[in-house]
Amino acid sequence: DADVTQTPRNRITKTGKRIMLECSQTKGHDRMYWYRQDPGLGLQLIYYSFDVKDINKGEISDGYSVSRQAQAKFSLSLESAIPNQTALYFCATSDPGLAGDTQYFGPGTRLTVL
Amino acid sequence: GNSVTQMEGPVTLSEEAFLTINCTYTATGYPSLFWYVQYPGEGLQLLLKATKADDKGSNKGFEATYRKETTSFHLEKGSVQVSDSAVYFCALSVSQGGSEKLVFGKGTKLTVNP
Repeated sequence: DADVTQTPRNRITKTGKRIMLECSQTKGHDRMYWYRQDPGLGLQLIYYSFDVKDINKGEISDGYSVSRQAQAKFSLSLESAIPNQTALYFCATSDPGLAGDTQYFGPGTRLTVL
Repeated sequence: GNSVTQMEGPVTLSEEAFLTINCTYTATGYPSLFWYVQYPGEGLQLLLKATKADDKGSNKGFEATYRKETTSFHLEKGSVQVSDSAVYFCALSVSQGGSEKLVFGKGTKLTVNP
């Protein structure tokens, strides 16, 4: 079984709809992240959480919100989806060691907003 | 601020050719450096990393050396295979105020032809 799972894997929705993307992990990591990937732009950080009570905005948090329901679960919501939120969304986890912070990614959710 | 610049793609090579993907960085502290790989339809996975100057990361025949004097972390492989076709991301992680976040380059798409 995959260590980091995302649901749904694909979603098509309409402008103005509320959408929730879910992420679960079995790695036991405290830190979780949501990224957005657009062609030619790499990955941009939306939100991150270093433990259940800690939520932080990333580079592009406008139009998004998150919920850390448990150590293993981190959800991303689009309150009112718009077409320029069409992108590939990745969840990631990490467990910082003494040197370096390796992140482990889920398979991604492809979201299309019409 | 912290940033990563990697060579633009796409890069197309024949099997067994030599690969170099350039990556340079700007960082306010002492970063750890990473190369992540994204195979078609999948999430990112760590390819290799280096945590201090002059360290060499290596995995699956790929290598990169942390060069502080040139602020570079170029990815190399002596003989690429068709299965190496993927998008490669250079990234850095810097500890700031007790937290560590990854900053990604925009990615370089590699296609290897038989």
